Amino acid sequence: EVQLVESGGGLVQPGGSLRLSCAASGFSFSSYEMNWVRQAPGKGLEWVSYIKSSDSTVYYADSVTGRFTISRDNAKNSLYLQMNSLRTDDTAFYYCARGLSSGWGLDYWGQGTLVTVSS
Amino acid sequence: EIVLTQSPGTLSLSPGERATLSCTASQSVRSKYLAWYQQKPGQAPRLLIYGTSSRATGIPDRFGGSGSGTDFTLTISRLESEDFAVYYCQQYDTSPWTFGQGTKVEIK
Repeated sequence: EVQLVESGGGLVQPGGSLRLSCAASGFSFSSYEMNWVRQAPGKGLEWVSYIKSSDSTVYYADSVTGRFTISRDNAKNSLYLQMNSLRTDDTAFYYCARGLSSGWGLDYWGQGTLVTVSS
Repeated sequence: EIVLTQSPGTLSLSPGERATLSCTASQSVRSKYLAWYQQKPGQAPRLLIYGTSSRATGIPDRFGGSGSGTDFTLTISRLESEDFAVYYCQQYDTSPWTFGQGTKVEIK
């Protein structure tokens, strides 16, 4: 069974940093592209970042470019999101999501971890 | 950035009725790069449709997708009780990838 479990969320002050992790199981993690998507409470979905399966190709939303860094450790079946210079509008549930093996779409999602940026 | 505009914002329908949801892009999106998701309260989104019209694994055939260029449609042929939810389109054609703002399908 495919499972994605996020961790690392919490309360952080504006300007602070946080590192999110996503532990993957039940599939060959190194073969799949991965993404982070966030959702502010009561709001819509916002794509945050993408990382290709086996190389350093990454993409970011304009709103996080220069502040967030996506990475992965295929040996540990883990996806990460390093978030620096956090702002109050970064407050959201952060989901990791797997890309389809064939085609474009996010076929498995974690349950999300809540990041709250507040003083 | 490609902006996706979904309409209507809310759709009030009864079980058994047909639902038609629209997603309009600010510039052309290649068909293989358009997907639809369903999200219920307190749950993560679920992939319904990818490549404009291909159903994801386990998605019932009452869900259908169509469209091209800047205009895409998600159709639910006969609404079941479990279909009342929020639906999002997403494009992967051009980074940054973007979601529409969502359409809520509610019970009338």
